[in-house]
This record gives sequence, C-alpha cells and structure tokens, in this order.
Amino acid sequence: DIQMTQSPSSLSASVGDRVTITCQASQDISNYLNWYQQKPGKAPKLLIYDASNLETGVPSRFSGSGSGTDFTFTISSLQPEDIATYYCQQFENLPPLTFGGGTKVEIK
Amino acid sequence: EVQLVESGGGLVKPGGSLRLSCAASGFTFTNAWMSWVRQAPGKGLEWVGRIRSKTDGGITDYAAPVKGRFTISRDDSNNTLYLQMNSLQTEDTAVYYCTTTPGRDDYWGQGTLVTVSS
Repeated sequence: DIQMTQSPSSLSASVGDRVTITCQASQDISNYLNWYQQKPGKAPKLLIYDASNLETGVPSRFSGSGSGTDFTFTISSLQPEDIATYYCQQFENLPPLTFGGGTKVEIK
Repeated sequence: EVQLVESGGGLVKPGGSLRLSCAASGFTFTNAWMSWVRQAPGKGLEWVGRIRSKTDGGITDYAAPVKGRFTISRDDSNNTLYLQMNSLQTEDTAVYYCTTTPGRDDYWGQGTLVTVSS
C-alpha cells in the first residue's frame, strides 16, 4: 500500500499569509494526487486534481505542484474562509485509495 | 445538479449489522465506479471500498480493516449504492460518505453517522 505522509498536521497563520502544506508518497505516484478541503461537518471538496490542476470554480490563490513522491499545496494569501482541514489523496495505485493525515489550518 | 444522499446510519451494538444506502442523481450512475469513505470522529479520511461499474465487471475491492465484514453492492435500476456492514466493531464508528472519488467528476454525499456502542 502507498502511504501518504502529510505535514504539518496543523498550522496557524495570519490573514494574507502564504501557507504551504506538503505530502510525500512512499513510492512514485507520478501526478496521481488530489488535494481536498474539508470544513467541519461537511464533505471533502476537491480543490486540485492531478497534482497541479485547479478545479473549476476554485479561487486561484490555491495551487499545487510536484510529481513522483513529493507534492506541495499552497494558499498564496490566506483568507478567513480558508479555515479548514486539507487532505492529499493518491490514486496511482489502488486499492487502497489512500489519504494523507490532514492539515488543520487556523487563523492566528 | 448532482446529488448523493446517504441514509441508514444510526446506533448499533458491537457485533451488529447495518446497511447504508446512497441514492444518486444528476449523473450517469450506471457508468460510475463508486466508493465508500469513512471518517471517525476527529480523525482523517479512510477509504472503505469501491465497486466498479457493471460494464467494468462490477468488481469490488475493500480496505483491509473491513474485508470479510463489509459488502458493497449497487442497484443501477434505482441508482443506489449500498454498504452492508456486519460484525460491527467500535472502531467502525464514523461518518460514512458515498463518493465517486477518485475521478475527474468528484462527487461526495453529506455523509451518514454510524455509531457502534454498547
């Protein structure tokens, strides 16, 4: 099974800050990686697909990069509505589909 | 508008059974590979299993913790996905989501809570 190591597990940043989350796969997954946002009590929402493609309707302050085993998710200017938990997901080799452990983003 | 609506959650005793349903609309359910993903209280996302479309064989796959206890099935005539859960354990307590993930069309239901407790 492919393990996804996501860091940090939580972070606190100010409005307007640049926020970066990383995800490392235990083996090469090419670009078969998605990033999700989940707000409390809600289902996950796809933000970035195939590592670097912005889902339709998602603000351009969200971006993703990377391939192989190392991936980065960035919020260029943190907004109050971005408070959520973010997850990476690999789908190169399933079953099983695997997720990172999540990063809880809070406002300082 | 795409909708995935789960139902069937509730409180069940350890060792008990429960069947979840997911009613799908707004997309071609017959062609979709469907998954169940769960989330224990305060924890991350965990894939439970998936079922391929019937044209792709209707094959099911399961995560190790539920293999042999959970069964995924589908009724394409009613656009409904099912999750039969047997021999439930306290560790199965979670919100269960019906989803088309992974896929370019990535849809999720609102989830249904399953609580396993004596």
